Amino acid sequence: AQSVTQLGSHVSVSEGALVLLRCNYSSSVPPYLFWYVQYPNQGLQLLLKYTSAATLVKGINGFEAEFKKSETSFHLTKPSAHMSDAAEYFCAVSAKTSYDKVIFGPGTSLSVIP
Amino acid sequence: ETGVTQSPTHLIKTRGQQVTLRCSSQSGHNTVSWYQQALGQGPQFIFQYYREEENGRGNFPPRFSGLQFPNYSSELNVNALELDDSALYLCASSSDGQGSLYGYTFGSGTRLTVV
Repeated sequence: AQSVTQLGSHVSVSEGALVLLRCNYSSSVPPYLFWYVQYPNQGLQLLLKYTSAATLVKGINGFEAEFKKSETSFHLTKPSAHMSDAAEYFCAVSAKTSYDKVIFGPGTSLSVIP
Repeated sequence: ETGVTQSPTHLIKTRGQQVTLRCSSQSGHNTVSWYQQALGQGPQFIFQYYREEENGRGNFPPRFSGLQFPNYSSELNVNALELDDSALYLCASSSDGQGSLYGYTFGSGTRLTVV
């Protein structure tokens, strides 16, 4: 069965510093992987997705993620944090079932310190 | 292109009552998935509707039920509410059940509080 773990329920970075949010997945088949962002009192917004094309995936708002099969990881990075990046970030993996299903990780809350 | 809209945005119910949450999918999307997001946790899959039929269900009891209408809008019904049902309920739409390939479009959610 597919699953997702996110190391660190809360991450704080200074404005302008590198953002690194960690995600590891478990899947018995080649996975599709996603990062979603959730701003306060809002739904989830798709940041980027990996679907077995290029291993380095670029998303919106300057974020990118690299798929590493050997490490079963899909970490999210951004070179320079902005105050507006403060939000909850969820890593997700598609579930290979007879129907369309995505399994979400527990989330990482990102704080940006001015 | 309109996004996913959910109503109401907030709701307070008493334990034992019943509740109906509504979702209008994004234009062109025929698949609706419902997720429950408890405070401080990731969304948990409840069920999915594709072309008016339930075609997948997560680990939720039968008192969680749903409908999808010909215009692809959807309802989530919860009977005999329990305190643990307090959560943000998210509706996500996709096209032809391909949210696991292309990603979902989420609504802003309905915050349900059971007292």
